Amino acid sequence: DAGITQSPRHKVTETGTPVTLRCHQTENHRYMYWYRQDPGHGLRLIHYSYGVKDTDKGEVSDGYSVSRSKTEDFLLTLESATSSQTSVYFCASRPRQGLRNTIYFGEGSWLTVV
Amino acid sequence: RKEVEQDPGPFNVPEGATVAFNCTYSNSASQSFFWYRQDCRKEPKLLMSVYSSGNEDGRFTAQLNRASQYISLLIRDSKLSDSATYLCVVNYNFNKFYFGSGTKLNVKP
Repeated sequence: DAGITQSPRHKVTETGTPVTLRCHQTENHRYMYWYRQDPGHGLRLIHYSYGVKDTDKGEVSDGYSVSRSKTEDFLLTLESATSSQTSVYFCASRPRQGLRNTIYFGEGSWLTVV
Repeated sequence: RKEVEQDPGPFNVPEGATVAFNCTYSNSASQSFFWYRQDCRKEPKLLMSVYSSGNEDGRFTAQLNRASQYISLLIRDSKLSDSATYLCVVNYNFNKFYFGSGTKLNVKP
């Protein structure tokens, strides 16, 4: 296990409010990822980071922003939450490039937007 | 078209049975392949990597067919504890991992 913690683990918020999810890893992994998981869609990449201050969009990035000011922390922000962003959010990290290096997940953050 | 496709199941099998899952991927440039296991309301966890020559880990055997662009997972002598959702994962472009929606396995006593 990669020592990834997410906070908060559960949150209920109102439509239109900003929400920030935090991912913290203790393994000094270079790469970090945010996914969302929804029934019928599986895990979909929101944003990822390949180093401090280096981030890129994934396949479902609209409505989300990220920041990585330190190697160990990767923040996901919903600027103005919508009901379609109700989901389970998983953070993941990966030590380095290489075909055999895969990603390891945090325990997930359950977000409900009402 | 989805990058990775799996039969969602569920596969309902008795203890001791052998069960196989397939997964197809769309990008012929895919570079590495994995199977993950996910229990209900838990995070996905790496089950095994999939190597070109096929590989085995105890009761689990993974195969890769690049020509047909599919990956398989075979579970022998199923245990109750094998009940979970199995996710097929494909990586290309180094930084991006694409997940199938998962195949649900129920092992019955």
